[in-house]
Amino acid sequence: NAGVTQTPKFRVLKTGQSMTLLCAQDMNHEYMYWYRQDPGMGLRLIHYSVGEGTTAKGEVPDGYNVSRLKKQNFLLGLESAAPSQTSVYFCASTISRDRSTDTQYFGPGTRLTVL
Amino acid sequence: AQSVAQPEDQVNVAEGNPLTVKCTYSVSGNPYLFWYVQYPNRGLQFLLKYITGDNLVKGSYGFEAEFNKSQTSFHLKKPSALVSDSALYFCAVSRRGQNFVFGPGTRLSVLP
Repeated sequence: NAGVTQTPKFRVLKTGQSMTLLCAQDMNHEYMYWYRQDPGMGLRLIHYSVGEGTTAKGEVPDGYNVSRLKKQNFLLGLESAAPSQTSVYFCASTISRDRSTDTQYFGPGTRLTVL
Repeated sequence: AQSVAQPEDQVNVAEGNPLTVKCTYSVSGNPYLFWYVQYPNRGLQFLLKYITGDNLVKGSYGFEAEFNKSQTSFHLKKPSALVSDSALYFCAVSRRGQNFVFGPGTRLSVLP
């Protein structure tokens, strides 16, 4: 049971390039989340998914797109990377359908630098 | 809208001494409160949560937190700090039907 995994662990992009971050969970969790972590700002929710085939915007969705084609995977895409998207990205998942109370399980993070 | 404040960027404590990491929140309605810990180069790990019931909540690794509704606080405490407790601690709040909002984090350093 690997829990929540993220690919890649590190990435450097040039401004304007695109990339996709992959999050996978093997716990059969319903909900999945993408956050970004910036110094002094804690974690901010980018997008989330309440089940296969569904996604919703979080607090800071601009410049990102997501897809949840399979229950176990949640992809985060950057179509045209900007230096402001330099951050550490975390994926999380929860077992139940109560996103306000359920414990979130986090992946190890992806450190992205946009030059 | 809900928000969380962690008034201290950094907390230093000697090993064996009690530690407190502070958290205050703002939310309309009944809050749900959480503490997570992040070790270097790792994702966040759940420590404890308050949903309802007893105001004193006990969690992993000997940590506990007390929900104080009148002071809108949920401070994290441990009676005797260990060097291995050194990490980044995040408080989070939510309310019914809403996503989490995380605080900015407090870095705890336990000195040997």
